[in-house]
Amino acid sequence: AQSVTQPDIHITVSEGASLELRCNYSYGATPYLFWYVQSPGQGLQLLLKYFSGDTLVQGIKGFEAEFKRSQSSFNLRKPSVHWSDAAEYFCAVGVENAGNMLTFGGGTRLMVKP
Amino acid sequence: DTAVSQTPKYLVTQMGNDKSIKCEQNLGHDTMYWYKQDSKKFLKIMFSYNNKELIINETVPNRFSPKSPDKAHLNLHINSLELGDSAVYFCASSPRTGHYGYTFGSGTRLTVV
Repeated sequence: AQSVTQPDIHITVSEGASLELRCNYSYGATPYLFWYVQSPGQGLQLLLKYFSGDTLVQGIKGFEAEFKRSQSSFNLRKPSVHWSDAAEYFCAVGVENAGNMLTFGGGTRLMVKP
Repeated sequence: DTAVSQTPKYLVTQMGNDKSIKCEQNLGHDTMYWYKQDSKKFLKIMFSYNNKELIINETVPNRFSPKSPDKAHLNLHINSLELGDSAVYFCASSPRTGHYGYTFGSGTRLTVV
């Protein structure tokens, strides 16, 4: 079965600094990979997704992620963080023929210092 | 106009009670889901319905019974509530099976006392 690990439970960065959130997955074939963001009291919003093709994917709000098959990773990056980026970030993996089921990582809480 | 709406947003109830959470989507999507987010923010799928037909039932206790009267609605009924049922429950939808573009509702925070 597939699984997702987000090694960092909390990350604090200064506003304007760069950001990288780590995500590692376990799955035998190429998975479908996603990053979602959850603001307090809100549902999850899709930031970006990878299905195939170019391993560097661009998303909304200035985020990007890079799929590295050799490292089973799909890390999320942003060159300059804004205070409004403070939220919980979830990496997820989907597999074919699994009824659209997404398996989520445990999440990383991002805090932004002024 | 909210795409995926859940009611109620907050629900506080006593152990042993029966309660329902409603979900409606106005996106014309075929597939709907219930996910449970526990106190540690861990998200796990409970059910998936495609066009009113149950697709996924992930080892959820029988006390949880989803009901889909039409493809725009997926309600969750919980019998004999237990303390461990306290969590945030998210409804989501996607255009069809095989399409992973989920739209999530804003969640229902259930507290069992």
